[in-house]
Amino acid sequence: NAGVTQTPKFQVLKTGQSMTLQCAQDMNHNSMYWYRQDPGMGLRLIYYSASEGTTDKGEVPNGYNVSRLNKREFSLRLESAAPSQTSVYFCASSERPGQETQYFGPGTRLLVL
Amino acid sequence: QKEVEQNSGPLSVPEGAIASLNCTYSDRGSQSFFWYRQYSGKSPELIMSIYSNGDKEDGRFTAQLNKASQYVSLLIRDSQPSDSATYLCAATSGTYKYIFGTGTRLKVLA
Repeated sequence: NAGVTQTPKFQVLKTGQSMTLQCAQDMNHNSMYWYRQDPGMGLRLIYYSASEGTTDKGEVPNGYNVSRLNKREFSLRLESAAPSQTSVYFCASSERPGQETQYFGPGTRLLVL
Repeated sequence: QKEVEQNSGPLSVPEGAIASLNCTYSDRGSQSFFWYRQYSGKSPELIMSIYSNGDKEDGRFTAQLNKASQYVSLLIRDSQPSDSATYLCAATSGTYKYIFGTGTRLKVLA
């Protein structure tokens, strides 16, 4: 039982490049989330998926897109990376949205040059 | 803009002492509250959840919730150097969302 897994662990991009961050959970959770964490800013919600087949914007969605591929997988795509997207990205899941404990993946450290 | 506020610290306590971490939230509709511990370079891990007014104890940890004052706290008894980390307070907001504070850095001095 791996919990929440994320790939890659580290990534360096040049401005304008694109990439997809992958997230998978094996806890049969319905809800999944993408956050970014910056120094002094705390965790900020980018997008969430309350259940399979639905996605919604969070606090800072600009420059990102998401896909809930199935119940297990939720990916985050940067179409044209910018230096302001340098951050640590965490995926999380919970059994039900907005009430239950969230479980976090190990994070992806992204540097955009 | 719904907010969760925490003192950034660092809060320094000697080994064996009680560490008291505090958090206030702005959304009166928040129903569920969580304390996460985050070691440097690692992901947040759940310490406690609390849903109703009063105290909830789990080992050396006690969470306290006062919805009238919109206040959540975490007490760590017999603090150990291994408790040194950043503690994140989170509150649910609306139907689907969680709002996180910026965290309090705790340093337990041996």
